[in-house]
Amino acid sequence: DTEVTQTPKHLVMGMTNKKSLKCEQHMGHRAMYWYKQKAKKPPELMFVYSYEKLSINESVPSRFSPECPNSSLLNLHLHALQPEDSALYLCASSQGNRLAGAAKNIQYFGAGTRLSVL
Amino acid sequence: QKEVEQDPGPLSVPEGAIVSLNCTYSNSAFQYFMWYRQYSRKGPELLMYTYSSGNKEDGRFTAQVDKSSKYISLFIRDSQPSDSATYLCAIGRNQAGTALIFGKGTTLSVSS
Repeated sequence: DTEVTQTPKHLVMGMTNKKSLKCEQHMGHRAMYWYKQKAKKPPELMFVYSYEKLSINESVPSRFSPECPNSSLLNLHLHALQPEDSALYLCASSQGNRLAGAAKNIQYFGAGTRLSVL
Repeated sequence: QKEVEQDPGPLSVPEGAIVSLNCTYSNSAFQYFMWYRQYSRKGPELLMYTYSSGNKEDGRFTAQVDKSSKYISLFIRDSQPSDSATYLCAIGRNQAGTALIFGKGTTLSVSS
């Protein structure tokens, strides 16, 4: 099973709203990622959690706040977003570096949350 | 020079054709090479990955890597309308928690 589950599938929010995106995987992966993808563009990395610790923040505005409550869950909290933040938000996971095996950084993606900010 | 170059297409072929999708990369530090398929408004689906030069086959799909020329390819045999999607190549390091570097994606349309 290589499934990464993201909820909700679609989200419409106003600029003053607070919402959260959720991501879950049960593959025992210990690295989890948030990417943002605009139309007809490749995914762009936002955050990386490695063993539940934030290891990469690609200079993302503070209106995006990631959280990793445990090794299976990843959240992205949204607050005071702008219309230009409308995009497909993708979660991915890969094996951790401490695990045996060669494919440590093969990333499996969820179906994404399509976010529209009005 | 961008780290990964991929012709965005679009590429249109008739059903049953052999499709060749290609990327070049510039940094030889990357050891993993992946192909993802992405249907409209969906997340990328991992098709194949490889970490050595040579060919890797999975059904109608063959991934080819030439590290000496920094060139990666995906061949699709007997293409089907269901193969119509955007194909993204990606390169990565053998270290979890590092970013994949994606090509821009090639949009493929297979007509019946």
